[in-house]
Amino acid sequence: NAGVTQTPKFQVLKTGQSMTLQCAQDMNHNSMYWYRQDPGMGLRLIYYSASEGTTDKGEVPNGYNVSRLNKREFSLRLESAAPSQTSVYFCASSAPDRRNTEAFFGQGTRLTVV
Amino acid sequence: GNSVTQMEGPVTLSEEAFLTINCTYTATGYPSLFWYVQYPGEGLQLLLKATKADDKGSNKGFEATYRKETTSFHLEKGSVQVSDSAVYFCALSEGSNYKLTFGKGTLLTVNP
Repeated sequence: NAGVTQTPKFQVLKTGQSMTLQCAQDMNHNSMYWYRQDPGMGLRLIYYSASEGTTDKGEVPNGYNVSRLNKREFSLRLESAAPSQTSVYFCASSAPDRRNTEAFFGQGTRLTVV
Repeated sequence: GNSVTQMEGPVTLSEEAFLTINCTYTATGYPSLFWYVQYPGEGLQLLLKATKADDKGSNKGFEATYRKETTSFHLEKGSVQVSDSAVYFCALSEGSNYKLTFGKGTLLTVNP
């Protein structure tokens, strides 16, 4: 019973490099999300996908792209990493029930851009 | 837009002390309210939730009541333990896309 699985757990990138963060959920959830967590800022939504085949921008989408590959997988891509993207990234998923909108989170990816 | 404001931390308590973490929100409609907890090195996990006014969420000795008149959802626990040391996030969800809006988090440290 894995829940939400993120890879990798840690990554160091040089400025300008690209990478893709992977996320998969096994709970048959329609909705998936990418957040970043920065000290003193809480969690901020980068992108979300309400259902397979749809994606929408969140609060801080600049510098990121996403792909909802299928119902299980939602990836986040940094095309040209910048030091300002140093953060902890969390993927989450939830069921679409209006009153049961609990989100389940992965363990996070700690990304450092040097 | 929606927003969540929670008390600034860090909060340091002795074991068995009473805990309150204040949370207020701004929303245009009728949100669902949540408290999430993040233990060191881990992701967030749901602690409790309330989906309508006057509902009380409770779990592991923690409680919070959805107060529409004061737009608040304060977290309380009567007697904290060392194992409660974590970061606590207040959050709301509203609208058809069910996105969560988080507060900035409150770091709680409980000393023996």
